[in-house]
Amino acid sequence: DSGVTQTPKHLITATGQRVTLRCSPRSGDLSVYWYQQSLDQGLQFLIQYYNGEERAKGNILERFSAQQFPDLHSELNLSSLELGDSALYFCASSPRGRGFYNEQFFGPGTRLTVL
Amino acid sequence: QQQVKQSPQSLIVQKGGISIINCAYENTAFDYFPWYQQFPGKGPALLIAIRPDVSEKKEGRFTISFNKSAKQFSLHIMDSQPGDSATYFCAASLSSLQGGSEKLVFGKGTKLTVNP
Repeated sequence: DSGVTQTPKHLITATGQRVTLRCSPRSGDLSVYWYQQSLDQGLQFLIQYYNGEERAKGNILERFSAQQFPDLHSELNLSSLELGDSALYFCASSPRGRGFYNEQFFGPGTRLTVL
Repeated sequence: QQQVKQSPQSLIVQKGGISIINCAYENTAFDYFPWYQQFPGKGPALLIAIRPDVSEKKEGRFTISFNKSAKQFSLHIMDSQPGDSATYFCAASLSSLQGGSEKLVFGKGTKLTVNP
């Protein structure tokens, strides 16, 4: 158990809908990262938050957005869903600012299925 | 320049054998190279990591070899066990001191099967 929690574990929805994925980082970790894992693209970085502020964006679609709240939990919002958005979405956290190297600890993931 | 190339895509090894997975990177600014292990239905778990100022790091049966001039690094699993059967991902990132994002750039993964 990494200490990172994600809810829900599974999500099944229809095209055009909007969903919210939730992540709680390890206690004390200030950085949260979101990654998408699909069979064809592998693990792709989406977005990073550090202590409530957006730090970096990766291959994140404009239909997707995220935020990190004062209690450091994060939510990833996916809207106007398409079939191709079906994937595993992972959240990771790291104690950036307390260490030199970026040990990221991954949650169990949310499996999103868009029908 | 952000790519990390990983090979082989799949690997079958007999119990007790040595598993070797290779990765190559392009961005010379990367200074942190972790390996993650992922079992079906689970999130990636950090296995072992190396910095570019050392050429080898060993933790139990797992060893990372790093060749900075060739921009390559590899994972060796000694005495491979059926319980090691999983997908292994190499990754690379920048450290916090570089001021950029410490996002991980992952290889495509290697599915390892260890036969009993």
